[in-house]
Amino acid sequence: DTEVTQTPKHLVMGMTNKKSLKCEQHMGHRAMYWYKQKAKKPPELMFVYSYEKLSINESVPSRFSPECPNSSLLNLHLHALQPEDSALYLCASSHRGGGTGGDVQYFGPGTRLTVT
Amino acid sequence: QKEVEQDPGPLSVPEGAIVSLNCTYSNSAFQYFMWYRQYSRKGPELLMYTYSSGNKEDGRFTAQVDKSSKYISLFIRDSQPSDSATYLCAMSVTSGGYNKLIFGAGTRLAVHP
Repeated sequence: DTEVTQTPKHLVMGMTNKKSLKCEQHMGHRAMYWYKQKAKKPPELMFVYSYEKLSINESVPSRFSPECPNSSLLNLHLHALQPEDSALYLCASSHRGGGTGGDVQYFGPGTRLTVT
Repeated sequence: QKEVEQDPGPLSVPEGAIVSLNCTYSNSAFQYFMWYRQYSRKGPELLMYTYSSGNKEDGRFTAQVDKSSKYISLFIRDSQPSDSATYLCAMSVTSGGYNKLIFGAGTRLAVHP
């Protein structure tokens, strides 16, 4: 099974709200990722967790706060977002947490976020 | 110059046609080569991946990698209207201690009955 699940599927929030996105995988993968995707563009990397530790923060504003409670779960906490943050937020996972040679990433269905 | 180049299309073909999608790249360190299919407003679905050069076939889909030319292709035989989607090529390399994906721009494909 190569499934990554994400909840919720859709989220509408105001600029003063606090909300969280959730991602789960049960493939034993050691790396998990958050991406942001705007219409007609490829996904843009936001954060990388490797072996449950934050490895990469691609200069993402502090209103996005990631959390990795365990090796299967990844959360993205949202606070004081702006309308331009409206996008499809994707979670992905890969078997290896690092090393060499790259790896295949499996994506979840995404959360469509609208900030009003 | 972008690390991965992909013609965004759109590409429109009749049902039953053979579709050829291509990407070129410049980084010889790429090891894994992936094709994702993305329907509108959905997450990317991994179609096929290849490690190093060669061909790989899965049903109506064939992926080819030519590392000497830095060129990858995805062929879709007997295309169906349900194949209408955006196809993203992606290449993986380890950089800064983590596995990084570099995407092409994505090619929008429309298969009409």
